[in-house]
Amino acid sequence: SYVLTQPPSVSVAPGQTARITCGGNNIGSKSVHWYQQKPGQAPVLVVYDDSDRPSGIPERFSGSNSGNTATLTISRVEAGDEADYYCQVWDSSSDHQVFGGGTKLTVL
Amino acid sequence: QVQLVESGGGVVQPGRSLRLSCAASGFTFSSYGMHWVRQAPGKGLEWVAVISYDGSNKYYADSVKGRFTISRDNSKNTLYLQMNSLRAEDTAVYYCAKDGLNYYDSSGYYYPNYFDYWGQGTLVTVSS
Repeated sequence: SYVLTQPPSVSVAPGQTARITCGGNNIGSKSVHWYQQKPGQAPVLVVYDDSDRPSGIPERFSGSNSGNTATLTISRVEAGDEADYYCQVWDSSSDHQVFGGGTKLTVL
Repeated sequence: QVQLVESGGGVVQPGRSLRLSCAASGFTFSSYGMHWVRQAPGKGLEWVAVISYDGSNKYYADSVKGRFTISRDNSKNTLYLQMNSLRAEDTAVYYCAKDGLNYYDSSGYYYPNYFDYWGQGTLVTVSS
């Protein structure tokens, strides 16, 4: 089955740029979606189809996808961005949705 | 606005059954696929199942295949998850989520996408 690999944690100072990676075999051939989840809350879609943002999501959130790595980039990080972030793809070979293990973003 | 409200969670003994419901509003329910996603305490997200807009296509995670059944009633704008033969490892918050598209490829294959709206979740605890 298809596996997505994320770093368990990423730390960044306020105002800096956070980059969260999502690794998978030839992930560049798939559409990658990203979710933000704060403690005690449901996940929220922040990037879909590699780099598109839903309405209401700040432009500070952006995504890219190529080769074996997709990346969620958060510019000018704020304290309110502290959360768990998950990448997700649909694996048509197994008919399964697949999530990465999640990355905890800490704002120092 | 889109609202998804789960219900039916609770404490259940191993081997027993439970049915979850998800009441949808604020969008044309009958036009979109719907998912169940779960999250065990302190763990990451795990996709459970998806059903296409008309119920004709259903896909399941390996961990629940043969035990769980996803269904929908478009006349009631409601999604269901029938959970049988429950195990301790099924303990989790269960979320229903709306699929962002209704996409079929040129061969007619139903291609689920991203989850654009989520409910607040309902907790299922499997314990004796």
